[in-house]
Amino acid sequence: GQQVMQIPQYQHVQEGEDFTTYCNSSTTLSNIQWYKQRPGGHPVFLIQLVKSGEVKKQKRLTFQFGEAKKNSSLHITATQTTDVGTYFCAGLYGGSQGNLIFGKGTKLSVKP
Amino acid sequence: DAGITQSPRHKVTETGTPVTLRCHQTENHRYMYWYRQDPGHGLRLIHYSYGVKDTDKGEVSDGYSVSRSKTEDFLLTLESATSSQTSVYFCAISAAGPNTEAFFGQGTRLTVV
Repeated sequence: GQQVMQIPQYQHVQEGEDFTTYCNSSTTLSNIQWYKQRPGGHPVFLIQLVKSGEVKKQKRLTFQFGEAKKNSSLHITATQTTDVGTYFCAGLYGGSQGNLIFGKGTKLSVKP
Repeated sequence: DAGITQSPRHKVTETGTPVTLRCHQTENHRYMYWYRQDPGHGLRLIHYSYGVKDTDKGEVSDGYSVSRSKTEDFLLTLESATSSQTSVYFCAISAAGPNTEAFFGQGTRLTVV
């Protein structure tokens, strides 16, 4: 079935270190979305990637969509304590009326 | 934050009782979704709606029903609550389907004892 694998499940970093989370699908995605959920909060949309090989940046965050549209990554440069939370990818299968499947998330903790 | 209100925010109920969770939006978005979030499982879609009285099942719909009689309200009902339905439930909305940004409500923490 449709499944988005996300790794790692947990990541502990020292403030100032970089962080990367990866998502993989066995089949081609229509697009991929990324969300952040702060502890005790709700998921908040970060970005959507649609094109093969697409790269988007938001300040210290860099998002990539693979050439085959089967994988994606989120990289945070020089983490800060405000980056703490769980990062989810969500892959869309089947186009605009298809199924959006969430990965299980990567929980990031940042030690000051 | 988008205008989404979930009620109640917390509920404890007994096994076998019916429970209804409400999601209310003020954004006039066409699509509304109910997800559950459990440790180790991420977010899983229960049901969604693509218009008034238009609903469909998600990946974990067993034991749940939904109704949408107005654009702004989407109700999730557990006909007979079980302990396996203890979870955090999130409502989400989007303007034009799953290929557009989703806005999530604050969540409802449901405990079935």
